Amino acid sequence: DAMVIQNPRYQVTQFGKPVTLSCSQTLNHNVMYWYQQKSSQAPKLLFHYYDKDFNNEADTPDNFQSRRPNTSFCFLDIRSPGLGDAAMYLCATRTSGRRSSYNEQFFGPGTRLTVL
Amino acid sequence: AQKITQTQPGMFVQEKEAVTLDCTYDTSDPSYGLFWYKQPSSGEMIFLIYQGSYDQQNATEGRYSLNFQKARKSANLVISASQLGDSAMYFCAMRETSTGNQFYFGTGTSLTVIP
Repeated sequence: DAMVIQNPRYQVTQFGKPVTLSCSQTLNHNVMYWYQQKSSQAPKLLFHYYDKDFNNEADTPDNFQSRRPNTSFCFLDIRSPGLGDAAMYLCATRTSGRRSSYNEQFFGPGTRLTVL
Repeated sequence: AQKITQTQPGMFVQEKEAVTLDCTYDTSDPSYGLFWYKQPSSGEMIFLIYQGSYDQQNATEGRYSLNFQKARKSANLVISASQLGDSAMYFCAMRETSTGNQFYFGTGTSLTVIP
């Protein structure tokens, strides 16, 4: 029944060691989002895909990259994690039309990243 | 300017009582949607309720209702008959039709239900 799946749920990496977080969905939604959420803060949008179109937020560090090889999968690559990158990373999906204000986001359970 | 403002960092409510979580928003787009999400300590964001800018009636979903006051640009969440399981963070979010796929989130309200 799982709709948005994130693996792993918990990830520990070392300072500077590249890490990849994955997200998959069974909803066939064309929009996929990656958010970073630090403790007691709102989710911060890093980037999103509309189909294959990649949309990067202006303040997303270059250290963060993303890949979407097909509709179902999306990856977040952190090339050189710093201590400040420790956070919960949330993947979300949504179906669109662009002209509609509805269509909520469906979130995965998140990956909690620890940087040592 | 903040798109979404939640002014209550923390709220307490007695079990079985009703509670209102405040949310105000800022937009010049006539077409937008307002969303409330619940985030338990496990971390997953759970969609609760939606209100469209053109909806004539306030949205309701079970024990959740949205007090939508368009002229005041507020979209407060009302939880009736609070349960212990309602203890969580609650986020208000908005999506404007003009800006496409982006959602704007407030800073959240931490709700604690007291037995």
